[in-house]
Amino acid sequence: GGIITQTPKFLIGQEGQKLTLKCQQNFNHDTMYWYRQDSGKGLRLIYYSITENDLQKGDLSEGYDASREKKSSFSLTVTSAQKNEMAVFLCASSMGRSERLFFGHGTKLSVL
Amino acid sequence: QQKVQQSPESLIVPEGAMTSLNCTFSDSASQYFAWYRQHSGKAPKALMSIFSNGEKEEGRFTIHLNKASLHFSLHIRDSQPSDSALYLCAVGGGRALIFGTGTTVSVSP
Repeated sequence: GGIITQTPKFLIGQEGQKLTLKCQQNFNHDTMYWYRQDSGKGLRLIYYSITENDLQKGDLSEGYDASREKKSSFSLTVTSAQKNEMAVFLCASSMGRSERLFFGHGTKLSVL
Repeated sequence: QQKVQQSPESLIVPEGAMTSLNCTFSDSASQYFAWYRQHSGKAPKALMSIFSNGEKEEGRFTIHLNKASLHFSLHIRDSQPSDSALYLCAVGGGRALIFGTGTTVSVSP
């Protein structure tokens, strides 16, 4: 088995701040994803990557940047945090795009 | 742009009863259909998936897929308190999985 590790678990930022979330996986999966979840609702796709150095925009990519410099890691940057923003950012990986996703436990973001 | 909707938004089910959840999608070219379950404070986990029209059963869980109706469902037989969770449907077909809006299920003892 493998594991997906997201850091940090909790992130508190200031309005306008640039914030970076990190994700590591040891499944040796090709595809990695970032989803946003607001207060116990559905997941919205921000970015995904099908291989090292590849980036594909999801429906919610505006306001975010992503980076996949290694197969095992995928980072997400909030380019300018919005006041009172609160959400959980979930990282996931899979062998292919129509394969089972494995999720990390999430980074909970709060913006003051 | 794929739209995935779930109904109902929430439901309460007596222990031992059947739980039925619905998912509709907009892209008729979709090829992969899955259900995930997320217990409170935990990561989502895959329950089961289906590629072709029809029905698939795994233990107490059954998926029905009708591509022509752009609809698939999850049925949980003999619901248990441990089934209380957020259920997420997901649709794929070329791009990344697109998830639905979620259904919160509470199973009352």
